[in-house]
This record gives sequence, C-alpha cells and structure tokens, in this order.
Amino acid sequence: GNSVTQMEGPVTLSEEAFLTINCTYTATGYPSLFWYVQYPGEGLQLLLKATKADDKGSNKGFEATYRKETTSFHLEKGSVQVSDSAVYFCALSDWNNAGNMLTFGGGTRLMVKP
Amino acid sequence: GAGVSQSPSNKVTEKGKDVELRCDPISGHTALYWYRQRLGQGLEFLIYFQGNSAPDKSGLPSDRFSAERTGESVSTLTIQRTQQEDSAVYLCASSLEPSYEQYFGPGTRLTVT
Repeated sequence: GNSVTQMEGPVTLSEEAFLTINCTYTATGYPSLFWYVQYPGEGLQLLLKATKADDKGSNKGFEATYRKETTSFHLEKGSVQVSDSAVYFCALSDWNNAGNMLTFGGGTRLMVKP
Repeated sequence: GAGVSQSPSNKVTEKGKDVELRCDPISGHTALYWYRQRLGQGLEFLIYFQGNSAPDKSGLPSDRFSAERTGESVSTLTIQRTQQEDSAVYLCASSLEPSYEQYFGPGTRLTVT
C-alpha cells in the first residue's frame, strides 16, 4: 500500500534561517504529491502540490520538487518567518476505489523564533 | 464563498455512548472524504463519497463506524458505543470532482471519557 514518511519534529529555527523538511513516499501507482499546512487553531490548508515527476510546486516562498528516482518531495524555504510556525504534512494521492484519497505523513511541527 | 463546515466543533462523550458528526461540504462538490487525526499523528483516511455512494468503506476502523451522505450534500459520521481510542479530531474534506483539490473543514474534536 501507499505510505508517506516525513521527518519528526519539532523543528526549531531562528527567523531567516533555511528550512528543509524531508518527505519520502512509497506508492504503487503514479501519485500526486502535496504539502499541507495547519496553522495554530486553524484547519488544514493546501500549501503546494506537484502532479508528476520533476514538477516543482511553490507557494509563499516554499518549494518542493517531485523526485521519482529518490521517491522524495522535500519542502524547502530559503528564509523562514515567525508566521511560518505551524505543522506541515506531506501527502500523496493515488486514484483507486477510494477516489483520490490522501495518504498523509505524521506531520512536522515547525517553530520559528524571532 | 462558504467553505466546508463541520459540527459540533467539540464533543465530549462518555464511553459507550453513540455520537453523530456532521459535515457540510462546499456547495456543488461531488466528492466528500472523512479523515481522522489522532493526537500527534497524521491524518488517517476513513471513507470517501462520490455523490451519495461510498465505493470503498475499508478505511472505517470497525463496524461501530458508519457514514452516510444525502442529497449529494450533507454527510454524517456515526460512531456507536464509543471507546476511548476513538478520541481524535475528525476532519471532512470535499472536492468539486474526485480528482480535484480537497478543501478541509475545521474538524470536530471528539473526546471520549
């Protein structure tokens, strides 16, 4: 079956530091890959996505590249802000009887200190 | 426009009681998903509706869990004879079509005492 593994947190960084959150996946088909973010007290929001190999998803200064050869979709940001403090979830979707169900990693909490 | 809404936002119930959780998807969205998020863990898929039909119920954790959807709109997730391990945040998501982006509701936090 499909699975997603992401680095455990919490990740604590100072403002303007470089961020990498690792994510690797296992899938039987040709999944789409996503990063979702959950800000404190808010619902889950789509941050970025990539639908095929070598695609780069980007949003709000965050980037992730779909690497089929390494089955990875690592999240990066060059300069984090305090407002980026949140929990980040890597996920994949693969069409099957359960529609386009998402398989999530365990989440990584990011804390950015001023 | 209005997003996905869920009610109640919080529910505390005694072990053994039945609970019903409600999801109102975005109007016109044909696909609806239920997920569960246990404390400190990722989201776990429960069930998917295309229209009012659920082609795959294998994600439901036990036969105490059931879900229905009516009018290609509102969905309810029912948990019978709740157990402490059912404590979690239950999230609903909808999408215009199954292959489109899923939009998540704020969740219902269920606590079984």
